[in-house]
Amino acid sequence: QQQVKQSPQSLIVQKGGISIINCAYENTAFDYFPWYQQFPGKGPALLIAIRPDVSEKKEGRFTISFNKSAKQFSLHIMDSQPGDSATYFCAARPLGGGADGLTFGKGTHLIIQP
Amino acid sequence: EAGVTQSPTHLIKTRGQQATLRCSPISGHTSVYWYQQALGLGLQFLLWYDEGEERNRGNFPPRFSGRQFPNYSSELNVNALELEDSALYLCASSWLQGSGNTIYFGEGSWLTVV
Repeated sequence: QQQVKQSPQSLIVQKGGISIINCAYENTAFDYFPWYQQFPGKGPALLIAIRPDVSEKKEGRFTISFNKSAKQFSLHIMDSQPGDSATYFCAARPLGGGADGLTFGKGTHLIIQP
Repeated sequence: EAGVTQSPTHLIKTRGQQATLRCSPISGHTSVYWYQQALGLGLQFLLWYDEGEERNRGNFPPRFSGRQFPNYSSELNVNALELEDSALYLCASSWLQGSGNTIYFGEGSWLTVV
Protein backbone atom coordinates (compact mmCIF):
# COMPACT_ATOMS: atom_id res chain seq x y z
CA GLN A 1 0.00 0.00 0.00
CA GLN A 2 1.30 3.40 -0.94
CA GLN A 3 2.41 5.38 2.11
CA VAL A 4 3.99 8.65 2.98
CA LYS A 5 5.42 8.78 6.48
CA GLN A 6 5.73 12.23 8.03
CA SER A 7 7.59 13.32 11.16
CA PRO A 8 7.51 14.80 13.67
CA GLN A 9 3.83 14.81 14.59
CA SER A 10 4.28 18.12 16.39
CA LEU A 11 7.08 20.67 16.53
CA ILE A 12 7.79 23.75 18.60
CA VAL A 13 10.35 26.23 17.30
CA GLN A 14 11.45 29.59 18.62
CA LYS A 15 10.83 32.66 16.49
CA GLY A 16 13.70 33.12 14.07
CA GLY A 17 14.70 29.47 14.19
CA ILE A 18 14.61 26.81 11.46
CA SER A 19 11.64 24.45 11.30
CA ILE A 20 12.32 21.08 9.68
CA ILE A 21 9.65 18.54 8.75
CA ASN A 22 10.57 15.22 7.17
CA CYS A 23 8.74 12.80 4.92
CA ALA A 24 9.62 9.40 3.52
CA TYR A 25 7.88 7.42 0.80
CA GLU A 26 7.97 3.86 -0.47
CA ASN A 27 6.47 3.98 -3.96
CA THR A 28 9.10 4.75 -6.56
CA ALA A 29 6.33 5.70 -9.01
CA PHE A 30 5.78 8.90 -7.07
CA ASP A 31 6.99 11.79 -9.15
CA TYR A 32 5.53 14.94 -7.64
CA PHE A 33 5.91 16.03 -4.04
CA PRO A 34 3.84 18.99 -2.79
CA TRP A 35 3.60 20.48 0.66
CA TYR A 36 0.36 21.93 1.99
CA GLN A 37 -0.17 24.41 4.81
CA GLN A 38 -3.39 24.35 6.80
CA PHE A 39 -4.46 26.98 9.31
CA PRO A 40 -7.18 26.17 11.86
CA GLY A 41 -10.62 26.34 10.29
CA LYS A 42 -9.20 26.59 6.77
CA GLY A 43 -8.63 24.15 3.98
CA PRO A 44 -5.09 23.10 3.03
CA ALA A 45 -3.27 25.43 0.64
CA LEU A 46 -0.40 24.47 -1.64
CA LEU A 47 2.82 25.90 -0.23
CA ILE A 48 5.59 24.56 -2.43
CA ALA A 49 6.21 21.49 -4.58
CA ILE A 50 9.16 19.63 -6.09
CA ARG A 51 9.86 17.00 -8.74
CA PRO A 52 12.66 14.43 -8.26
CA ASP A 53 14.81 15.81 -11.05
CA VAL A 54 16.01 18.53 -8.67
CA SER A 55 17.46 18.14 -5.18
CA GLU A 56 16.29 21.44 -3.77
CA LYS A 57 13.68 24.09 -4.40
CA LYS A 58 13.48 27.39 -2.57
CA GLU A 59 10.63 29.87 -2.41
CA GLY A 60 11.23 32.70 0.00
CA ARG A 61 11.76 31.26 3.47
CA PHE A 62 10.51 27.82 2.42
CA THR A 63 12.84 25.17 0.98
CA ILE A 64 12.20 21.58 -0.05
CA SER A 65 15.17 19.23 0.01
CA PHE A 66 14.80 16.00 -1.93
CA ASN A 67 16.87 12.80 -1.67
CA LYS A 68 15.73 10.42 -4.39
CA SER A 69 18.01 7.53 -3.41
CA ALA A 70 16.81 7.63 0.19
CA LYS A 71 13.20 8.30 -0.90
CA GLN A 72 13.00 11.19 1.52
CA PHE A 73 12.08 14.84 1.26
CA SER A 74 11.88 17.59 3.80
CA LEU A 75 10.52 21.09 4.31
CA HIS A 76 12.72 23.73 5.87
CA ILE A 77 11.22 27.00 7.10
CA MET A 78 13.94 29.56 7.66
CA ASP A 79 13.54 32.47 10.09
CA SER A 80 10.32 30.89 11.38
CA GLN A 81 7.61 33.38 12.37
CA PRO A 82 4.54 33.05 14.60
CA GLY A 83 2.41 33.39 11.47
CA ASP A 84 3.91 30.12 10.23
CA SER A 85 2.14 28.26 13.05
CA ALA A 86 -0.06 25.79 11.21
CA THR A 87 -0.35 22.14 10.27
CA TYR A 88 1.85 21.06 7.38
CA PHE A 89 1.16 18.06 5.16
CA CYS A 90 3.55 16.49 2.73
CA ALA A 91 2.13 14.54 -0.17
CA ALA A 92 3.25 12.45 -3.12
CA ARG A 93 1.68 11.61 -6.47
CA PRO A 94 2.58 9.36 -9.41
CA LEU A 95 3.65 11.02 -12.64
CA GLY A 96 0.65 12.10 -14.65
CA GLY A 97 -1.66 11.59 -11.75
CA GLY A 98 -4.20 14.04 -10.46
CA ALA A 99 -5.45 14.94 -7.05
CA ASP A 100 -7.06 11.52 -6.74
CA GLY A 101 -3.55 10.08 -6.74
CA LEU A 102 -2.21 12.28 -3.96
CA THR A 103 -1.08 10.37 -0.88
CA PHE A 104 -0.78 12.60 2.16
CA GLY A 105 1.33 12.32 5.28
CA LYS A 106 -0.48 12.55 8.58
CA GLY A 107 0.60 16.12 9.18
CA THR A 108 2.88 18.09 11.48
CA HIS A 109 1.46 20.60 13.92
CA LEU A 110 4.00 23.45 14.00
CA ILE A 111 4.03 26.07 16.73
CA ILE A 112 6.37 29.05 16.49
CA GLN A 113 6.91 30.63 19.87
CA PRO A 114 7.45 34.41 19.92
CA GLU B 1 -12.84 35.45 -7.73
CA ALA B 2 -14.56 33.09 -5.30
CA GLY B 3 -12.65 30.06 -4.11
CA VAL B 4 -14.06 26.60 -3.50
CA THR B 5 -17.14 26.97 -1.34
CA GLN B 6 -18.64 24.28 0.84
CA SER B 7 -21.83 23.98 2.84
CA PRO B 8 -22.83 23.46 5.51
CA THR B 9 -19.91 24.50 7.69
CA HIS B 10 -21.03 22.22 10.47
CA LEU B 11 -23.47 19.33 10.53
CA ILE B 12 -24.56 17.12 13.41
CA LYS B 13 -26.29 13.86 12.62
CA THR B 14 -27.38 10.79 14.49
CA ARG B 15 -25.91 7.37 13.77
CA GLY B 16 -27.84 5.68 10.96
CA GLN B 17 -28.96 8.94 9.34
CA GLN B 18 -27.83 10.36 6.02
CA ALA B 19 -25.68 13.42 5.49
CA THR B 20 -25.40 15.56 2.36
CA LEU B 21 -22.53 17.95 1.85
CA ARG B 22 -22.25 20.42 -1.00
CA CYS B 23 -19.41 21.97 -2.94
CA SER B 24 -19.06 24.67 -5.56
CA PRO B 25 -15.74 24.62 -7.43
CA ILE B 26 -13.79 27.62 -8.59
CA SER B 27 -15.32 29.05 -11.75
CA GLY B 28 -13.91 27.24 -14.77
CA HIS B 29 -12.82 24.17 -12.84
CA THR B 30 -14.35 20.92 -14.06
CA SER B 31 -12.78 18.46 -11.63
CA VAL B 32 -14.03 18.12 -8.07
CA TYR B 33 -12.39 15.97 -5.42
CA TRP B 34 -13.64 14.96 -2.01
CA TYR B 35 -11.33 14.17 0.89
CA GLN B 36 -11.97 13.04 4.43
CA GLN B 37 -9.77 14.51 7.15
CA ALA B 38 -10.24 12.57 10.34
CA LEU B 39 -8.34 13.51 13.47
CA GLY B 40 -4.87 12.00 13.39
CA LEU B 41 -5.36 10.29 10.04
CA GLY B 42 -4.42 13.00 7.57
CA LEU B 43 -6.31 13.48 4.32
CA GLN B 44 -7.90 10.46 2.71
CA PHE B 45 -9.08 10.58 -0.92
CA LEU B 46 -12.78 9.82 -1.26
CA LEU B 47 -14.08 10.61 -4.72
CA TRP B 48 -13.17 12.39 -7.95
CA TYR B 49 -15.73 13.80 -10.37
CA ASP B 50 -15.01 15.33 -13.74
CA GLU B 51 -17.47 16.47 -16.39
CA GLY B 52 -20.33 14.95 -14.44
CA GLU B 53 -18.82 11.50 -14.19
CA GLU B 54 -17.30 9.66 -11.25
CA ARG B 55 -13.71 9.02 -12.35
CA ASN B 56 -12.22 7.37 -9.30
CA ARG B 57 -12.98 6.56 -5.70
CA GLY B 58 -10.81 5.86 -2.71
CA ASN B 59 -10.95 2.98 -0.29
CA PHE B 60 -14.31 3.84 1.24
CA PRO B 61 -17.52 1.77 1.44
CA PRO B 62 -20.36 2.30 -1.08
CA ARG B 63 -22.40 4.26 1.46
CA PHE B 64 -20.13 7.14 0.52
CA SER B 65 -21.41 8.43 -2.78
CA GLY B 66 -21.97 11.64 -4.62
CA ARG B 67 -22.58 13.31 -7.91
CA GLN B 68 -21.54 16.26 -10.01
CA PHE B 69 -24.09 18.55 -11.56
CA PRO B 70 -23.99 20.19 -15.02
CA ASN B 71 -22.69 23.41 -13.43
CA TYR B 72 -19.80 21.33 -11.98
CA SER B 73 -20.95 21.71 -8.40
CA SER B 74 -20.99 18.51 -6.42
CA GLU B 75 -22.54 16.87 -3.45
CA LEU B 76 -21.29 14.12 -1.20
CA ASN B 77 -23.78 11.76 0.41
CA VAL B 78 -22.97 9.56 3.35
CA ASN B 79 -25.63 6.98 4.15
CA ALA B 80 -26.10 4.90 7.29
CA LEU B 81 -23.81 7.19 9.27
CA GLU B 82 -21.40 5.63 11.72
CA LEU B 83 -19.62 7.31 14.61
CA GLU B 84 -16.28 7.00 12.83
CA ASP B 85 -17.61 9.09 9.94
CA SER B 86 -17.14 12.13 12.15
CA ALA B 87 -14.52 14.19 10.33
CA LEU B 88 -13.79 17.28 8.29
CA TYR B 89 -14.86 16.72 4.69
CA LEU B 90 -12.87 18.75 2.22
CA CYS B 91 -13.77 19.51 -1.35
CA ALA B 92 -11.12 20.55 -3.85
CA SER B 93 -11.21 21.54 -7.49
CA SER B 94 -8.89 21.90 -10.43
CA TRP B 95 -9.39 22.91 -14.04
CA LEU B 96 -7.68 19.95 -15.61
CA GLN B 97 -6.72 16.53 -14.39
CA GLY B 98 -3.05 15.78 -14.71
CA SER B 99 0.34 16.35 -13.24
CA GLY B 100 1.31 19.79 -12.14
CA ASN B 101 -2.18 21.21 -11.89
CA THR B 102 -2.76 22.76 -8.52
CA ILE B 103 -5.81 21.70 -6.62
CA TYR B 104 -7.57 24.24 -4.46
CA PHE B 105 -9.31 23.19 -1.28
CA GLY B 106 -12.40 24.64 0.31
CA GLU B 107 -12.61 25.22 4.02
CA GLY B 108 -14.47 22.02 4.66
CA SER B 109 -17.62 20.78 6.29
CA TRP B 110 -17.42 19.41 9.80
CA LEU B 111 -19.60 16.34 10.22
CA THR B 112 -20.27 15.08 13.71
CA VAL B 113 -22.11 11.81 14.17
CA VAL B 114 -23.58 11.21 17.61
